[in-house]
Amino acid sequence: DTGVSQNPRHKITKRGQNVTFRCDPISEHNRLYWYRQTLGQGPEFLTYFQNEAQLEKSRLLSDRFSAERPKGSFSTLEIQRTEQGDSAMYLCASSSFSPSGTIDNEQFFGPGTRLTVL
Amino acid sequence: AQKITQTQPGMFVQEKEAVTLDCTYDTSDQSYGLFWYKQPSSGEMIFLIYQGSYDEQNATEGRYSLNFQKARKSANLVISASQLGDSAMYFCAMREPYNAGNMLTFGGGTRLMVKP
Repeated sequence: DTGVSQNPRHKITKRGQNVTFRCDPISEHNRLYWYRQTLGQGPEFLTYFQNEAQLEKSRLLSDRFSAERPKGSFSTLEIQRTEQGDSAMYLCASSSFSPSGTIDNEQFFGPGTRLTVL
Repeated sequence: AQKITQTQPGMFVQEKEAVTLDCTYDTSDQSYGLFWYKQPSSGEMIFLIYQGSYDEQNATEGRYSLNFQKARKSANLVISASQLGDSAMYFCAMREPYNAGNMLTFGGGTRLMVKP
């Protein structure tokens, strides 16, 4: 299967602990997105990368959150000093974008990492 | 700021019948894209259909069609011949102009339940 994968699928942690999630995009995709989805709501954009460059960050991404995409392949999302309000599904998506070519229309999503902060 | 509104929190439909899920959007951009995603209980977002703001014809993908009314700023999803496997959350989303980040703004979703 060559879709987007995310690990772990579930994470339970105590308030104040740090957590890190990983996303492996579709191999030929140069854009990678992180979204957060709380219960009963639609996903909300957090940040995105084009290759290894982080080009946009939402105001939702507080200074406790950091994302990286070394070498433009997989990405990690770290949350420091977790709070109960961080409990959510964290979704990763990837797409193929070419500025001079066809506009990429579809973002492919991974299965998500569900975080529970006790 | 962009905004997506889905006014139907939940919908029931009888198996084999058609159903329309509503979506209205608000944007001042001329170039934008509209998407529908399906999210079953497993959590993964599954792409269903896409409509570009300059596309003159309504998009269709198998049993899915998008009723795009630009002047009304609506992009309703029509599912024909509903199946039990269609029971899921459905999200309407809008993409910012292509020369921006392409990030998606999602609505609050509609839970569709198909009755046998």
